[in-house]
Amino acid sequence: TQLLEQSPQFLSIQEGENLTVYCNSSSVFSSLQWYRQEPGEGPVLLVTVVTGGEVKKLKRLTFQFGDARKDSSLHITAAQPGDTGLYLCAGAPYNTDKLIFGTGTRLQVFP
Amino acid sequence: DTGVSQDPRHKITKRGQNVTFRCDPISEHNRLYWYRQTLGQGPEFLTYFQNEAQLEKSRLLSDRFSAERPKGSFSTLEIQRTEQGDSAMYLCASSQPPVLTQYFGPGTRLLVL
Repeated sequence: TQLLEQSPQFLSIQEGENLTVYCNSSSVFSSLQWYRQEPGEGPVLLVTVVTGGEVKKLKRLTFQFGDARKDSSLHITAAQPGDTGLYLCAGAPYNTDKLIFGTGTRLQVFP
Repeated sequence: DTGVSQDPRHKITKRGQNVTFRCDPISEHNRLYWYRQTLGQGPEFLTYFQNEAQLEKSRLLSDRFSAERPKGSFSTLEIQRTEQGDSAMYLCASSQPPVLTQYFGPGTRLLVL
């Protein structure tokens, strides 16, 4: 069974702080996607990383795909209340087109 | 490009009733996926289609669940004889190879009383 473990599960911080969310697996993925989900809504794509060691930046968000394609991280600089939400990583295994989702990290940013 | 749409957004039903959900993918996306998400968990894969062909089904998809995509465009997910354990958010996503990024709809939240 392919599993993606995310840590931390919950994160509560003040506006302006930095944070990192980790997504780890023992399995290798062809690509990995990060989503943010608001309550009662579907996941919204943030980024797709496909190359081992790849780093992508999206404004204050930095995403990294591990060299071995088994792990990823999301770093947010100077968090804002608008960053509040559930962050999900999702890996695409090589032998199927379905996504394996992580357990999620619920982020709360207080003003 | 209007994105993935799902209907209804919310459904409340009594145990034992049948329900059907619809998903309209991003136009020209030939792959369509269904996932289920329970409270506090990440989405879990149910099934996916390439055009009208159903290519993979999860063991989560019991005999009471059936999905179709008759013309390779919209898809329906039917749950027969609903049970309280079926209460969840049902999510639809689509993609277009060779790009395998999946784009999600807003979901249908089902509550079985």
